[in-house]
Amino acid sequence: DIQMTQSPSSLSASVGDRVTITCQASQDISNYLNWYQQKPGKAPKLLIYDASNLETGVPSRFSGSGSGTDFTFTISSLQPEDIATYYCQQYDNVVTFGPGTKVDIK
Amino acid sequence: QVQLVQSGAEVKKPGASVKVSCKASGYTFTSYGISWVRQAPGQGLEWMGWISAYNGNTNYAQKLQGRVTMTTDTSTSTAYMELRSLRSDDTAVYYCARGPSAYGDQNDYWGQGTLVTVSS
Repeated sequence: DIQMTQSPSSLSASVGDRVTITCQASQDISNYLNWYQQKPGKAPKLLIYDASNLETGVPSRFSGSGSGTDFTFTISSLQPEDIATYYCQQYDNVVTFGPGTKVDIK
Repeated sequence: QVQLVQSGAEVKKPGASVKVSCKASGYTFTSYGISWVRQAPGQGLEWMGWISAYNGNTNYAQKLQGRVTMTTDTSTSTAYMELRSLRSDDTAVYYCARGPSAYGDQNDYWGQGTLVTVSS
């Protein structure tokens, strides 16, 4: 199976900061990557699909980029409601999730 | 509006089986697959597999092969996930999610989750 790594595993940032999370695949997955947000006690929520497409209704401060093995997820201006764990998911070969990045407010 | 409503929490003994349901509404059920994802306490997301609601084809995670069965009932727009020979490390919240489909491989709507506790 394709292995996914994410970094950092956690981060603390101030409201208004730009936050960047990276996701790396163990082999080329083209753009077959999605990003999800999960708040405590809630189901995951789709934010970005096919590496860079913003899901309908998701605020434009969220964005994604990358292809091949290296991907980036960005929150351009962190808001208090963005406190959550963020997961990448590849679907090139079977499906695997990254280990997650926990984001909180400094 | 699209909704996926899952069955309630379950407590099972080791070696038993559990069957979780996921009732879909607000869209054409057979146009999308249903994926199942679980999350052990304090852990990340683990993909279990998916089933095509169109033709019943399935694709299971290798580690669950032989213990998991996913089915659908198109007459009631309900998907089911049965896990057998339960072990303590199967204790988790189990989620169903819409997708993949011809429109893409993302999971765009999720159920509320079903807590399955395996304990003697």
